[in-house]
Amino acid sequence: EVQLVESGGGLVQPGRSLKLSCAASGFTFSNYYMAWVRQAPKKGLEWVATISTSGSRTYYPDSVKGRFTISRDNAKSSLYLQMNSLKSEDTATYYCARHPFGVSDYWGQGVMVTVSS
Amino acid sequence: DVVLTQSPATLSVTPGERISLSCRASESVDTYLHWYQQKPNESPRLLIKYASQSISGIPSRFSGSGSGTDFTLSINGVELEDLSIYYCQQGNSLPYTFGAGTKLELK
Repeated sequence: EVQLVESGGGLVQPGRSLKLSCAASGFTFSNYYMAWVRQAPKKGLEWVATISTSGSRTYYPDSVKGRFTISRDNAKSSLYLQMNSLKSEDTATYYCARHPFGVSDYWGQGVMVTVSS
Repeated sequence: DVVLTQSPATLSVTPGERISLSCRASESVDTYLHWYQQKPNESPRLLIKYASQSISGIPSRFSGSGSGTDFTLSINGVELEDLSIYYCQQGNSLPYTFGAGTKLELK
């Protein structure tokens, strides 16, 4: 059974940093692209980042480019999202997703990030 | 960026009826269009990939069609458990984008 479990969320002040983690199990992690998708409170879904199987290629929308960094550790079957210079508009639930060929076929339960002073 | 417009925003349904949800892209996405269901307080779940490909474990009453810019998600015989928000997402070009969603509610 595919499982994705996010952690690391919480309350953080504007301008500060936070790092999210996602522990994967039930599949060969190193064979899959992975992604982060977020959802602001009562809003829709927004793609945040994608990483290739080896980690050599990463992709971001303009809204987070230069501030967020996606990474992975295939030996630990773990995915990460380093978020710097956080803004209030980054407040959202962040989902880790298995992401082959642009499709998010499995999702974690999500972790809440609140950016507020 | 590809803009996905979903309609209607809200659809009131009666159990047992057949319904169709629309997703229109601002430019062609070929068949790189995927549908997700999100029940209240749950994570999204993949329903249909590549416009019409079924997903293991998803009830057969869900089906998808379309290509290019116009796509449809159909539910043949709505059940109470289908009351959710449905999102489309394009995977044809970066940045990947989602529609704003269609909410199914009980009539």
